[in-house]
Amino acid sequence: DVKVTQSSRYLVKRTGEKVFLECVQDMDHENMFWYRQDPGLGLRLIYFSYDVKMKEKGDIPEGYSVSREKKERFSLILESASTNQTSMYLCASNDYYGYTFGSGTRLTVV
Amino acid sequence: GESVGLHLPTLSVQEGDNSIINCAYSNSASDYFIWYKQESGKGPQFIIDIRSNMDKRQGQRVTVLLNKTVKHLSLQIAATQPGDSAVYFCAENRDRLTGGGNKLTFGTGTQLKVEL
Repeated sequence: DVKVTQSSRYLVKRTGEKVFLECVQDMDHENMFWYRQDPGLGLRLIYFSYDVKMKEKGDIPEGYSVSREKKERFSLILESASTNQTSMYLCASNDYYGYTFGSGTRLTVV
Repeated sequence: GESVGLHLPTLSVQEGDNSIINCAYSNSASDYFIWYKQESGKGPQFIIDIRSNMDKRQGQRVTVLLNKTVKHLSLQIAATQPGDSAVYFCAENRDRLTGGGNKLTFGTGTQLKVEL
């Protein structure tokens, strides 16, 4: 089975900090995604990548950046964390249709 | 704008009853739909999918129905069990990715609560 691993389950960061969320998949998938999940809003796409060093903005990229230096790793970066970025962050990968998700990182910005 | 939405945010059912979770979509070009289940503290997990050339697809205790005429999708769970308690999301492939594969758009989710 494909595994998508997110390095942290829970994070607490201070406003203004630079935050890195890491995601690794082990099935050589081309596509990787970062979503945030908020009550009543469902999953909203932040950024995605379809190849190493390739990235595209999703629906809500403001305040975020990403890095994909290796095929298996996709990092989400909060350049200067703000309280409105408190959320559940989900990473996913796919090779054609179906997505496989990680367990999520619950980030709290104080 | 286009959206994928669910009719009810919460659905409560008795253990053993059948559950029906509904989803509306608005993009006629979408040709692939997926249902995901998300248990508390976990990421969404694939349940069942259906392509637009089908009206119905069955899995183990789950059935997905697709009505393209009214752009409606439903997930039926037979003999609902306590372990079915979760949030259920529908998703549609709205866009193709440059490198192949699909970019899914997700609905807001329905919380299914199974009462004993």
